[in-house]
Amino acid sequence: DIQLTQSPSFLSASVGDRVTITCRASQGISNYLAWYHQEPGKAPKLLIYAASTLQSGVPSRFSGSGSGTEFTLTISSLQPEDFATYYCQQLNSSPPTFGQGTRLEIK
Amino acid sequence: EVQLLESGGGLVQPGGSLRLSCAASGFAFSTYAMTWVRQAPGKGLAWVSTISGSGSNTYYADSVKGRFTISRDNSKNTLYLQMNSLRAEDTAVYYCAKTYHYGSGRGYFDYWGQGTLVTVSS
Repeated sequence: DIQLTQSPSFLSASVGDRVTITCRASQGISNYLAWYHQEPGKAPKLLIYAASTLQSGVPSRFSGSGSGTEFTLTISSLQPEDFATYYCQQLNSSPPTFGQGTRLEIK
Repeated sequence: EVQLLESGGGLVQPGGSLRLSCAASGFAFSTYAMTWVRQAPGKGLAWVSTISGSGSNTYYADSVKGRFTISRDNSKNTLYLQMNSLRAEDTAVYYCAKTYHYGSGRGYFDYWGQGTLVTVSS
């Protein structure tokens, strides 16, 4: 199975900050990567697919990049609703797998 | 508006069975693959199973293969997960998710239900 490792696992930041989360794959996955956002007690929501394509309705402050084994999710200016846990997911090969998550908290 | 509503979770003893349902609305259900993803308490997300739009192709995680069965009734816009021989490690919130399927169980999940909690304990 392909392993995804996110860094950092925990991030403390302030409203208005720019933050970047990295996801590294144990083998090349082209651009078959998605990012999700999960608020406590709620279901995950799709933010980005195909590594860099913004899901409909997702604010433009979110962006994704990368290909192969290294990917990033950037939030350009944090808003209060962005403080949550973020997961990357690969769909290059079965089984689809998720990263361990990055918990983003308010400083 | 896409809506997914899971039901059927609860407390079950080890070795027992449970059937989860996911009622879908707001999209052409039969044209999309559907997936179950679970999340153990305080843990991350884990793919469980995917079924094609027609229901003719199914895919399972190794951890549930032979114990869980995914199915769908397109006339009722409903997805199911039959869970047998349940173990303590199956305890989790189970989410159903509408899936953009790339084949062989690979896909991304653009809409999720609110989840239903399954607790396996004596």
